[in-house]
Amino acid sequence: DIVMTQSPDSLAVSLGERATINCKSSQSVLYSSNNKNYLAWYQQKPGQPPKLLIYWASTRESGVPDRFSGSGSGTDFTLTVSSLQAEDVAVYYCQQYYTTPYTFGQGTKLEIK
Amino acid sequence: QVQLGESGGGVVQPGTSLTVSCAASGFTFSTYAMHWVRQAPGKGLEWVASISYDGSDKSYADSVKGRFTISRDNSENTLYLQMSSLRVEDTAVYYCARDREATMVRGVKLPLDIWGQGTMVTVSS
Repeated sequence: DIVMTQSPDSLAVSLGERATINCKSSQSVLYSSNNKNYLAWYQQKPGQPPKLLIYWASTRESGVPDRFSGSGSGTDFTLTVSSLQAEDVAVYYCQQYYTTPYTFGQGTKLEIK
Repeated sequence: QVQLGESGGGVVQPGTSLTVSCAASGFTFSTYAMHWVRQAPGKGLEWVASISYDGSDKSYADSVKGRFTISRDNSENTLYLQMSSLRVEDTAVYYCARDREATMVRGVKLPLDIWGQGTMVTVSS
């Protein structure tokens, strides 16, 4: 199974500041035939289901604010919130969909400092 | 609008069975692969099972293989998860989720864009 490891486990950032969450996969999730990274980011607020933010490592889902961006390739990925807003407080998960079993990172809790 | 709604959760004893359902609306259910993902209380997300658009291709997490069965009824726009030999560690919110794109091709891997609100399954004596 591909193991997804996120860092840090929790993060406190001031309003308007940048937040960066890292995700590392135990093997590459880059599919060479189409040059796509099978990596997604989800946001989960308390009592709600996860919400897809980013897929193919860097493609923003429709309706997601452009302060959210994804980067990386192969085994190392980053989710960046460029200017933290109060409504961004949540747990963030990375997920590989390169192969089953699909696996998620353990989650990163993002809070306001 | 596009919606998924789970039902059928509850409190059951270890070793028993339970089936949870997911009703889909607002999209052509029969053209999308579907998934079950669970979340134990206070824990992270765990993918449980997937099924192709036509039900012919199924995949399971090792933790549930041989005990859980995913199925679908495209005429009723409903996804199912039959759970047997339930264990205390199966206690979780069970979410159904949809592939981001309709691909009537088996084996295509996609992110999950639409999720239901979840149904709670508690396994306890």
